[in-house]
Amino acid sequence: GAGVSQSPSNKVTEKGKDVELRCDPISGHTALYWYRQSLGQGLEFLIYFQGNSAPDKSGLPSDRFSAERTGGSVSTLTIQRTQQEDSAVYLCASSLVPGAGNSPLHFGNGTRLTVT
Amino acid sequence: RKEVEQDPGPFNVPEGATVAFNCTYSNSASQSFFWYRQDCRKEPKLLMSVYSSGNEDGRFTAQLNRASQYISLLIRDSKLSDSATYLCVVNRANDYKLSFGAGTTVTVRA
Repeated sequence: GAGVSQSPSNKVTEKGKDVELRCDPISGHTALYWYRQSLGQGLEFLIYFQGNSAPDKSGLPSDRFSAERTGGSVSTLTIQRTQQEDSAVYLCASSLVPGAGNSPLHFGNGTRLTVT
Repeated sequence: RKEVEQDPGPFNVPEGATVAFNCTYSNSASQSFFWYRQDCRKEPKLLMSVYSSGNEDGRFTAQLNRASQYISLLIRDSKLSDSATYLCVVNRANDYKLSFGAGTTVTVRA
C-alpha cells in the first residue's frame, strides 16, 4: 500500500474493556506518531517513535495508554480499562525522517473509538 | 497559553472570493511552519510549507511574520472544493514534535 494504514477504522467498546489500535506506516518511514483528535478539537500529540524507540511518551494521557513499535514498522496503541473520555479519533502518521522540515507527516485515516 | 492558536471561524465566503486567516504561535524558537488541510471526517494532509520569505502555490499564499509570531494563509478565487478545516502546524528546530492548531474552518458557497 502507498499510504499509512490504520485498523480498525471504527471501534465501539464498553467502558472498562481494553482496545488495541494498529498502524502500518509507509514503508521506509523511520518516524511514527500517534495523535488524538476529539470532536472539534485540534490534534493532541500522544507519542513518537524513531525506529522502535519511543523517546517521548509525555503525551500519553495516563498509564492506561501504552504503545509499541516492532521491526521499525507496525505500531500498536493499547488503551486499558477504557473510559468514556477516551472516545476520539486516533490518528497515526509517519514521516521519512523526524522533525518535519522537508519530510511532511502522512496520516492514516484514523480509528474512531467510541466508549459506551 | 496554547502553543498554536487559530481563529476557529467559520469563514463563509462566496465562490471567487478571497479569504485570509492567521495563526499565532507562542514559542519564538519555532523554525518550521506548515498548513495542513483536513476535510470533514478525513485525515489531515499537507497543503504547503511556509517559508520565511513567503510562498505561493497556485491560489494559495502563505506568509510568516517572525516578529509578531504568526503565519497566514490566503486563498484567492475560492472554489467550492476549498471548503475544509485548515490546520496550522509549528515545529521547533531539531524537534520531532509538531504542534497543531485546532483549525480554521472555511466554507465556500455557490
